[in-house]
Amino acid sequence: ESVLTQSPGTLSLSPGERATLSCRASQSVTSSYLAWYQQKPGQAPRLLIYGASIRATGIPDRFSGSGSGTDFTLTISRLEPEDFAVYYCQQYGSSPYTFGQGTKLEIK
Amino acid sequence: EVQLVESGGGLVQPGGSLRLSCEASGFPFSSYAMSWVRQAPGKGLEWVSILSDSGGSTYSADSVKGRFTISRDNSKNTLSLQMNSLRAEDTAVYYCAKGSSDYYGSPIDYWGQGTLVTVSS
Repeated sequence: ESVLTQSPGTLSLSPGERATLSCRASQSVTSSYLAWYQQKPGQAPRLLIYGASIRATGIPDRFSGSGSGTDFTLTISRLEPEDFAVYYCQQYGSSPYTFGQGTKLEIK
Repeated sequence: EVQLVESGGGLVQPGGSLRLSCEASGFPFSSYAMSWVRQAPGKGLEWVSILSDSGGSTYSADSVKGRFTISRDNSKNTLSLQMNSLRAEDTAVYYCAKGSSDYYGSPIDYWGQGTLVTVSS
């Protein structure tokens, strides 16, 4: 089983700043099958990035993903007020299709 | 518009059973892999189980193997999760989730709003 570890647990930033979120896998992720999701309180998650770096439909270009193997990054270039939420990575290359524990992005 | 509507959640005693259903619409249901993902109160997401488009391939998390069974009825556009031998640690919101392709190794592109399962005496 590939364990995904996200860091930091909480990230405190201000609107307009750049956010960098990390996801590290205990085993290499097959074919970069790594996704990022955003979840706001009381809502279902939303797909942001898949294939490590491909933006999902309708996702603003301030969101970008990078990485391969065991190290992946989600970058939000300039934070908007609506970006403050919890972010999860997930590997879907091999079962079990594990999620990271999440990074909470909060307003500083 | 893709819609996934879960039902069947509620309060159940430890050791009991519950069957969740997800009614899908707005897309060709039989062409996509489908999953269940859960989230315990105040906790992160936990992948539970996935079923291929035809229902021929299924995978589940170790935490539910032998207790939970995922199934689908493509004639009724319905995904189900039969949960037996329920434990307190199964308490969570259960999300029905659509894969982005027929292949089970695909990201989740749509989620339902979830149904709460509470296991308590």
